[in-house]
Amino acid sequence: EVQLVESGGVVVQPGGSLRLSCAASGFAFEDFAMHWVRQAPGKGLEWVSLIRWDGSSTFYADSVNGRFTISRDNSKNFLYLLMNSLRPEDTAFYYCAKDSEYYGSGILDFWGQGTLVTVSS
Amino acid sequence: QAVLTQPSSLSASPGASASLTCTVRTGINVDTYRIFWYRQKPGSPPQFLLRYKSDSDKQQGSGVPSRFSGSKDASANAGILLISGLQSDDEADYYCMIWHSTAWVFGGGTKLTVL
Repeated sequence: EVQLVESGGVVVQPGGSLRLSCAASGFAFEDFAMHWVRQAPGKGLEWVSLIRWDGSSTFYADSVNGRFTISRDNSKNFLYLLMNSLRPEDTAFYYCAKDSEYYGSGILDFWGQGTLVTVSS
Repeated sequence: QAVLTQPSSLSASPGASASLTCTVRTGINVDTYRIFWYRQKPGSPPQFLLRYKSDSDKQQGSGVPSRFSGSKDASANAGILLISGLQSDDEADYYCMIWHSTAWVFGGGTKLTVL
C-alpha cells in the first residue's frame, strides 16, 4: 500500500525557515518523480514544486522560486521541502504527491494527508 | 489574467450531466495542451480523474468510472470535464491543471453542487 506521510508543519514567524519532510513507503520511491502542492485554508490548490526521480531536475512555481528548495533522499525514501524567507501568504496545508512517471507526467496518483504551515507573528 | 480560469461554482441535478470548463488564457492555445482534472472532497487530498489532449491522447485515472470524460472546446479555448449521470457523491471541488512555462498550474477550482 502506497503511503505518503508529511511532517514538519508548525507556526513560524515571517522571514523564518522551515523544512518539511515526506516519508514514502509501499512503492519504489527512486523510480518516480515527486511533487509538493499546497492549499491555503478554504482556498484552491497551488502546485509548488517537482523533483524528478533522480533529483537531477527540479521545477518551482514562480511564487516560491528562489525561496524554496525541493530535494529527495532515495536511500531513505524521503522527500523534502526547505522553505526560506517565509511570508504570511505561504500559510497552507502542504501535500506531498507521487507522480505516475519518473519525469513528472502530471498524473499525481497518490497524495499524503498534508501538513499545516502557518506563517504568523 | 490567470493561466487557467474555472467558474467558481456549478449546480446540477442528480442523474443529469455537468460540464465543467477550464478556460485557457488568451495567447495560449488549448489544442497544444494536455488538460488534467482532479477532484477534491472536503477533508481529503485531491484525486486524479483523467487527462485529455485529444481523443487519441487521453488517460483515465485508476478506478475512475467512464461517466467522467474529457473534451475541448477550441472556439472557447477551453478544456471540459463532462460528468454524466450525476450522483450526490460527485459533490466536490474540481480542478484543472496544465504544464506551462516549466511549471504545473492549477485552475482556481469549481465547486460542484448536486441537488
